[in-house]
Amino acid sequence: QKEVEQNSGPLSVPEGAIASLNCTYSDRGSQSFFWYRQYSGKSPELIMFIYSNGDKEDGRFTAQLNKASQYVSLLIRDSQPSDSATYLCAVTLGGAQKLVFGQGTRLTINP
Amino acid sequence: SAVISQKPSRDICQRGTSLTIQCQVDSQVTMMFWYRQQPGQSLTLIATANQGSEATYESGFVIDKFPISRPNLTFSTLTVSNMSPEDSSIYLCSVEVKNIQYFGAGTRLSVL
Repeated sequence: QKEVEQNSGPLSVPEGAIASLNCTYSDRGSQSFFWYRQYSGKSPELIMFIYSNGDKEDGRFTAQLNKASQYVSLLIRDSQPSDSATYLCAVTLGGAQKLVFGQGTRLTINP
Repeated sequence: SAVISQKPSRDICQRGTSLTIQCQVDSQVTMMFWYRQQPGQSLTLIATANQGSEATYESGFVIDKFPISRPNLTFSTLTVSNMSPEDSSIYLCSVEVKNIQYFGAGTRLSVL
């Protein structure tokens, strides 16, 4: 089992709809969870991060954690074509500071 | 956050040669990281570089192939040695600021 797993997609969502991205992780001790957005040919850019103590909302983005089921999700409301990118989920291994990345989900927002 | 300058942004190299990639950050940071992203793949951590100590390499990566320097709190280099076409990839440095990692723009390496 991979440490961090994502559906590679592609995930296609109409403009204005909610895009839902999910990520599962294997280490129950993980404390920090990150979502990065990566446009083609660019480096990863931090979108959201949450710690094990709760969910977080920032503008159109919401990150949610389900510790019991060991998955973290990213919701993008009112999706825009500019949201089309690969979204990388990253998790710190329990007690460590290094990040483990999922394989990324390619999201396409259709006008 | 942090402003990270990575260079070169891209290079085309011959088999058997070496390339050194530089990463400069605009503030002092304890931890710097080097990643590889192969075409169509996610990020794989090569090593963690802390100032004043030897880099810590992940499984599958060795110092002879990927020597790293970390001479001070704002700078690090990664060398890709004795390159082969399998080393063609994007190499990314990142820094940790308040438990969050930020990435440089990356170095796109092609080995012929």
